[in-house]
Amino acid sequence: DSGVTQTPKHLITATGQRVTLRCSPRSGDLSVYWYQQSLDQGLQFLIQYYNGEERAKGNILERFSAQQFPDLHSELNLSSLELGDSALYFCASSDGLAGINEQFFGPGTRLTVL
Amino acid sequence: DAKTTQPPSMDCAEGRAANLPCNHSTISGNEYVYWYRQIHSQGPQYIIHGLKNNETNEMASLIITEDRKSSTLILPHATLRDTAVYYCIAAIYNQGGKLIFGQGTELSVKP
Repeated sequence: DSGVTQTPKHLITATGQRVTLRCSPRSGDLSVYWYQQSLDQGLQFLIQYYNGEERAKGNILERFSAQQFPDLHSELNLSSLELGDSALYFCASSDGLAGINEQFFGPGTRLTVL
Repeated sequence: DAKTTQPPSMDCAEGRAANLPCNHSTISGNEYVYWYRQIHSQGPQYIIHGLKNNETNEMASLIITEDRKSSTLILPHATLRDTAVYYCIAAIYNQGGKLIFGQGTELSVKP
């Protein structure tokens, strides 16, 4: 158990819909990262937040957005869903911008878009 | 971030050492080598990282060549539970930023 929790574990929805994935980082971790893992693209970094502020952006689509709240939990919002958005979405946390940079990953949310 | 190259798959007998190579010929001076693994579809798990000295922890050893262009992750006594995809990543220490995952090496530990 990494200490990172993600909800829901599974999500099935239809094209065009909007969903929200939630992540609670390990206690004390200030950084939250979101990754997408699909069969054809592998594990891809989407976005990082540190203490409520966006710090790094990867290959995140404009239809996707994220935020980190004052209690440090984070949400990833996916809108206008397409079939190709079906993937595993992982959240990871680390103790911040300094330190050993070890990221602790949650169990993931499996999104299926029908 | 420097690109890393790993063999797509490897086999290892249970109880033997598993040596997983990684090539990172364009690594820069401030980039560390990190290893993560992913068992089935679980979240990736940190294994070890290093800059230029060899490193060892309770999970594995990391050997980095003197020119830092390649490294080897060693699992000293592989078990069936070590069957996973192993990712070698070059990333800047303390940047706290993204990890760029390649295709990794799928290690199969066989009885």
